Amino acid sequence: ETGVTQTPRHLVMGMTNKKSLKCEQHLGHNAMYWYKQSAKKPLELMFVYNFKEQTENNSVPSRFSPECPNSSHLFLHLHTLQPEDSALYLCASSQDPSGTQHEQFFGPGTRLTVL
Amino acid sequence: AQSVTQLDSQVPVFEEAPVELRCNYSSSVSVYLFWYVQYPNQGLQLLLKYLSGSTLVKGINGFEAEFNKSQTSFHLRKPSVHISDTAEYFCAVTNDYKLSFGAGTTVTVRA
Repeated sequence: ETGVTQTPRHLVMGMTNKKSLKCEQHLGHNAMYWYKQSAKKPLELMFVYNFKEQTENNSVPSRFSPECPNSSHLFLHLHTLQPEDSALYLCASSQDPSGTQHEQFFGPGTRLTVL
Repeated sequence: AQSVTQLDSQVPVFEEAPVELRCNYSSSVSVYLFWYVQYPNQGLQLLLKYLSGSTLVKGINGFEAEFNKSQTSFHLRKPSVHISDTAEYFCAVTNDYKLSFGAGTTVTVRA
């Protein structure tokens, strides 16, 4: 596997379910990100992890809970979601948040539908 | 804080015709600028970036963009598009590690 992978690619869940999204990067990067992409809206940054430490929580509701056990893996735990949470959830990574390249590499996303 | 405005939400274009996607940004500090492309059912892929130096930046797949500091713009161009260029294009800006994205421009290339 190369680049950034995300599983599952599609997820349908009820409002009372608990599920987790997984992201893995094979690039040796130190920063990882969760974004929410809704139709016709700019990508919304949700969380940022630098060297496994959360450095950004962009006013995300507590029903979204991130976890970063190491620099290569990032999870997004979901519980009691609302239908408006249906969206494409993108994971990204970058080499070094304090570096000069700034490029983020994106995974294919998880298409989440909340019924 | 920075913000990005993509002036066109949809751009239809015929195959082999040129295309220009407009992007304007606002920022009180120096920024780095990016264009990403998203093909159907895929994540975002970097087309090109401006960090410093020459204001004309060349990217993958024949795309180029020009950074204009006085007009705070970073427009994307391709002289001749292909059917395979049908996708959504996002302009992004940052001055640290947090990217601010525009709402996207959907390009539809027709034969």
